[in-house]
Amino acid sequence: GNSVTQMEGPVTLSEEAFLTINCTYTATGYPSLFWYVQYPGEGLQLLLKATKADDKGSNKGFEATYRKETTSFHLEKGSVQVSDSAVYFCASHFRRALTFGSGTRLQVQP
Amino acid sequence: NAGVTQTPKFRVLKTGQSMTLLCAQDMNHEYMYWYRQDPGMGLRLIHYSVGEGTTAKGEVPDGYNVSRLKKQNFLLGLESAAPSQTSVYFCASSPRTSGPRPAYNEQFFGPGTRLTVL
Repeated sequence: GNSVTQMEGPVTLSEEAFLTINCTYTATGYPSLFWYVQYPGEGLQLLLKATKADDKGSNKGFEATYRKETTSFHLEKGSVQVSDSAVYFCASHFRRALTFGSGTRLQVQP
Repeated sequence: NAGVTQTPKFRVLKTGQSMTLLCAQDMNHEYMYWYRQDPGMGLRLIHYSVGEGTTAKGEVPDGYNVSRLKKQNFLLGLESAAPSQTSVYFCASSPRTSGPRPAYNEQFFGPGTRLTVL
């Protein structure tokens, strides 16, 4: 079956630092891949997505590239802000099922 | 558009009590989902529905029932609550996908219901 593995958190960074959150997946077929973000007290919001190998999803300065050869979809941002503090979930979608990773909490300090 | 709304936002139950969580969406989405979120475990799919009158089991369906009598509503029921069902419950919806191969399918989430079972 499908599964998603994320790096464990929490990740604590200073403002303007570089961010990487690792995500790898196992799947049959060719899943679509997503990063969702959850701000405190809220539901999940789609951050970015990629539907096929070598696609790059981007939004709000975040980027992730669908790497079929390494089955990875790492999230990156060149310069984080305090407002980026949240929990980030990697997810894969194949047919009707969305499989989530366990989430990585990011704390950005001023 | 309100998007996806959930009722109630918080609830405390005693073991053995029953309750129903209501999810409503105004985006005319075909698919709807119920997840639970537990610390360190991400979101796990409980049940889902691909259209009015249809439901299917997800990863962790035991102890829950669902109904989709109207396209815009998806109800999650707990017949006899247990402490293991203490969790945050999220509803989501997504539009129908089409095409020769599975396409991306962004899900839109509600704000969640925090349930405590004593």
